[in-house]
Amino acid sequence: AQKITQTQPGMFVQEKEAVTLDCTYDTSDPSYGLFWYKQPSSGEMIFLIYQGSYDQQNATEGRYSLNFQKARKSANLVISASQLGDSAMYFCAMRSNFGNEKLTFGTGTRLTIIP
Amino acid sequence: NAGVMQNPRHLVRRRGQEARLRCSPMKGHSHVYWYRQLPEEGLKFMVYLQKENIIDESGMPKERFSAEFPKEGPSILRIQQVVRGDSAAYFCASSLGGVTHNEQFFGPGTRLTVL
Repeated sequence: AQKITQTQPGMFVQEKEAVTLDCTYDTSDPSYGLFWYKQPSSGEMIFLIYQGSYDQQNATEGRYSLNFQKARKSANLVISASQLGDSAMYFCAMRSNFGNEKLTFGTGTRLTIIP
Repeated sequence: NAGVMQNPRHLVRRRGQEARLRCSPMKGHSHVYWYRQLPEEGLKFMVYLQKENIIDESGMPKERFSAEFPKEGPSILRIQQVVRGDSAAYFCASSLGGVTHNEQFFGPGTRLTVL
């Protein structure tokens, strides 16, 4: 079974500062993928970034980067130079690369950017 | 290219009525996933379908819920005899399938309210 833990229910960050959203996971599968999604108040799920368990380098997408520490089973999302539009719920998710392709989600972190 | 389409966006039903939620995957995608999001929670996997086949329904409640993805037309999530606890956002996602970097693209969701 897979499990995602997000221990920060809410965070407040000053605009233009960097922010790290924590995510730890648990799985017995040797090969898996890790995802981060953003859910603004409008409700849609927006894909941000992906990290494969065998990727040698940490994933980056614009202002988003994923701090992947495999031994610690953590996949923290780092947002640089935060903007007001970054205020949203953020969900970490994972998927095994064996068999079923379903995503397992964490409970999310509500990020609020303060002007 | 149109993304994943879901309709209706909002659905109100009285207890005991039926709810039908529709999902049209992205063009070229043959894998469809349904997730449910209860208020203030993360998304929970319900069912994974390919054309005319249910691959994994381990997240579906055993009664009142069913899903299909016919050869022609959208995927349908059907909830019979709805109860207040069924009130939630229901998200559909689609993908190309495969085991590596298989991003799931989400639709805007259907918000079901049971009165």
